[in-house]
Amino acid sequence: DQQVKQNSPSLSVQEGRISILNCDYTNSMFDYFLWYKKYPAEGPTFLISISSIKDKNEDGRFTVFLNKSAKHLSLHIVPSQPGDSAVYFCAAIKGNNNDMRFGAGTRLTVKP
Amino acid sequence: DVKVTQSSRYLVKRTGEKVFLECVQDMDHENMFWYRQDPGLGLRLIYFSYDVKMKEKGDIPEGYSVSREKKERFSLILESASTNQTSMYLCASSTSGQTYTHEQYFGPGTRLTVT
Repeated sequence: DQQVKQNSPSLSVQEGRISILNCDYTNSMFDYFLWYKKYPAEGPTFLISISSIKDKNEDGRFTVFLNKSAKHLSLHIVPSQPGDSAVYFCAAIKGNNNDMRFGAGTRLTVKP
Repeated sequence: DVKVTQSSRYLVKRTGEKVFLECVQDMDHENMFWYRQDPGLGLRLIYFSYDVKMKEKGDIPEGYSVSREKKERFSLILESASTNQTSMYLCASSTSGQTYTHEQYFGPGTRLTVT
């Protein structure tokens, strides 16, 4: 039972353009969401997060949008760079529970 | 910088063998986690621990056990390895203190192949 879904296994964009990665969740009790980035042969690294009391959080080129009514969040990368090519995982957690649920990941390729 | 290290990057074991995967973190984190990553399934939580000698089952604990005798070290044990346990295993840690942000810090992973 995947409570966090990333329906696009891959995405390819041109350098300089916007990358939009999408994530849907089914459990309305989730109140904190994170995006992780993973390069081959490395562990995931934290990228950006958002609390359910917000609908947007921005950090440099990265912005996460949360639509609670649709149970949907998205990660925008502007402008995209070749070094952004990686697998991106969406994750969700409820309260102070340590049980973080991850999506299956989206492989982003940014072409020069 | 938080550092989470895993004892092996690659491991090949035979069916039925007992396998130990070790994880060490150097940031005095209370919480430690073991995940496995499989294509199309993302990361799935096997076990986690929020204190020494404490453990909680995650989504897929069957066939695994864990040990946390010291705060910095969390071990994953496959009592009798099977081919369906071939996977990438990721260890992570996080803090429960006032700076608790839900962020988990991951090790580089151990790719285990069971033949």
